[in-house]
Amino acid sequence: KAGVTQTPRYLIKTRGQQVTLSCSPISGHRSVSWYQQTPGQGLQFLFEYFSETQRNKGNFPGRFSGRQFSNSRSEMNVSTLELGDSALYLCASSAGTGGSPLHFGNGTRLTVT
Amino acid sequence: QKEVEQDPGPLSVPEGAIVSLNCTYSNSAFQYFMWYRQYSRKGPELLMYTYSSGNKEDGRFTAQVDKSSKYISLFIRDSQPSDSATYLCAMSAVEGSNYKLTFGKGTLLTVNP
Repeated sequence: KAGVTQTPRYLIKTRGQQVTLSCSPISGHRSVSWYQQTPGQGLQFLFEYFSETQRNKGNFPGRFSGRQFSNSRSEMNVSTLELGDSALYLCASSAGTGGSPLHFGNGTRLTVT
Repeated sequence: QKEVEQDPGPLSVPEGAIVSLNCTYSNSAFQYFMWYRQYSRKGPELLMYTYSSGNKEDGRFTAQVDKSSKYISLFIRDSQPSDSATYLCAMSAVEGSNYKLTFGKGTLLTVNP
């Protein structure tokens, strides 16, 4: 079974720009979650989508948004980029039932200059 | 008080040593407990998944959960240089159909040949 695929692997953007990250979950998984990982804060939950609906949301500003398509693929968008948005963005998929473990992709490394 | 506390290390051991990694938590609603391993420039990889208190063994790895003390551990026997990575504990509570994983900040482990 193919794992979680994230594209692109690396991105360099300028402050004020916007960016879209893409995630393809494991086949059959209906839940996709997004996390931000930084050395100082560790892994922080952004949001979770299940069957095209946002089911859970972390404490991030509205500049961070996402969506899920009917094939379970997901995209995350960050608008008006700030220097502090530089991080590894990780996507994870799961079956979506209570307590299902997450399976992560290798992330998109975003650098904002 | 943070929901999940994990000693960041770094931890350096000789090859063949027994490694003990630990996390404490404050939320008594946590029911599912996981350990992830993350190599440099990769996403977290699920190592162990447990529900409720007790021990679970998988090869050289043993996960231990003590819900009464709100304490979980991961033991690595006969540690190998290939075990050098960051180890993240994670746990989740289920509220209706919503759940999210809360992660520790990770412990950086180096196993020296």
